[in-house]
Amino acid sequence: DVKVTQSSRYLVKRTGEKVFLECVQDMDHENMFWYRQDPGLGLRLIYFSYDVKMKEKGDIPEGYSVSREKKERFSLILESASTNQTSMYLCASSHPSGQNNEQFFGPGTRLTVL
Amino acid sequence: AQKITQTQPGMFVQEKEAVTLDCTYDTSDQSYGLFWYKQPSSGEMIFLIYQGSYDEQNATEGRYSLNFQKARKSANLVISASQLGDSAMYFCAMREGRLGSARQLTFGSGTQLTVLP
Repeated sequence: DVKVTQSSRYLVKRTGEKVFLECVQDMDHENMFWYRQDPGLGLRLIYFSYDVKMKEKGDIPEGYSVSREKKERFSLILESASTNQTSMYLCASSHPSGQNNEQFFGPGTRLTVL
Repeated sequence: AQKITQTQPGMFVQEKEAVTLDCTYDTSDQSYGLFWYKQPSSGEMIFLIYQGSYDEQNATEGRYSLNFQKARKSANLVISASQLGDSAMYFCAMREGRLGSARQLTFGSGTQLTVLP
C-alpha cells in the first residue's frame, strides 16, 4: 500500500515565523503535490513537483515555497507565516503512469497561525 | 470559469437509501479523467472511483457508481444503500490530458453528506 506521511497533524505558529511542513512517500512516486483546503473552496494546488529538484507553481503559490531534494520528500515552506495561511494542508503523490494518475494523500496538517 | 462545480454544499440522506452527489466539469480536452474522493472528519482523502473520458460504461465500485453523461459534462456519484459511515465530505476532481501526460487534479468545492439513522 502507498503511504504518504506528513510531519504533524496539528501545528500552531505565530505570525512572522518560518514554517516547514514535511511530506514523505514510500512508493517511489515521481509526482508530489501540496494543497490547501479551506471551507467552501475545496482543495487548491499550491505547488507540485514531478522530479527531484523540479517544481512548478500551482494555482495559489504566493507566500509559499517548496523544496524537493530527495524523491521521497517534498517540503512546503512558509517563509513568514501570516494569519491568512491558517488552513488544512494536504500532501499527495502519484506515479505518472500509475493507474488513472490517481493521487494518494497524506493525513493532512491543520496549521493555525496566531 | 470553474472547472469542477459541485452545487450541493450539504446533503442529507436516510440510512439505507440511495443518494446522488452532483458534479459538472468544464474542459476542452478530449482525453480526461474524473475522480471522486471521500474525506471523513478525520481528514484523510480516500479514493472512491474513477471514470475515463473514453470509457463507454459507467464506473462502479461496490456501492459507488459514477453516472457519466459526457454530452452534459456531468459525473455524478451515486451511493446505494447509504450507511452511517458514509457521512463525510465528498470531492469531485478532474485530470485533464491523456493518462500519463497530466499531473494535476482540479478539485470541486465538495459536498458534505450526512446519513441519518
